[in-house]
Amino acid sequence: QVQLQESGPGLVNPSETLSLTCAVSGASISSHYWNWVRQAPGKGLEWIAYRRHIGTTHGSPSFKSRIAMSVDTSTNQFSLTLTSVTAADTAIYFCARRPALGGTGLDHWGQGILVTVSS
Amino acid sequence: QSALTQPASVSGSPGQSITISCTGTSSDIGIYNYVSWYQQHPGKTPRLILYDVGVRPSGISDRFSGSKSGNTASLTISGLQAEDEADYYCSSYRDDIPYVFGTGTTVTLL
Repeated sequence: QVQLQESGPGLVNPSETLSLTCAVSGASISSHYWNWVRQAPGKGLEWIAYRRHIGTTHGSPSFKSRIAMSVDTSTNQFSLTLTSVTAADTAIYFCARRPALGGTGLDHWGQGILVTVSS
Repeated sequence: QSALTQPASVSGSPGQSITISCTGTSSDIGIYNYVSWYQQHPGKTPRLILYDVGVRPSGISDRFSGSKSGNTASLTISGLQAEDEADYYCSSYRDDIPYVFGTGTTVTLL
């Protein structure tokens, strides 16, 4: 059974860096495409970025150069960093998997973590 | 990136069928069969219900079906049930962006 679990701070100061981690169980981090998606309070879904265990971060142009992802095969986790955050970055952040085989949908999601940007 | 366009709300009576549209452009839905649909109950995690236009993941009811015509994709829910009350989001590949999401549609039972 594939499970994803986000962790990180619930509160970040404006202009600082947000760092989140997603722990994966039931699947190898060395396979698949690992994604971050966010949802501002009461709003829709917004894709942020994806990465595989090799290669580079593929991010949404909406974030320009503010995002980076890493994948740690030793711990079966992947991470997101988002720099220079503002109140507009306040959202629930989800990690999600696109399977290496079997279509292009995001088939497993974490429960989400609410991150508030405020001083 | 601009979102795909969905109706804000759709309603139907139990047992009826409803269809949710998802309108994009010739840069996304019009040229790629990489449309997926997600169901999200209030306060819950999104759940994949269709991918690649009309493929159901294992465990998803066959009451959910998908199609595409031109720049518009559609999700049909047949035999509407109380548990189908939720928000629904489409997404499509566009210009090297794997997931451009729709604006979301709230389904309510009459």
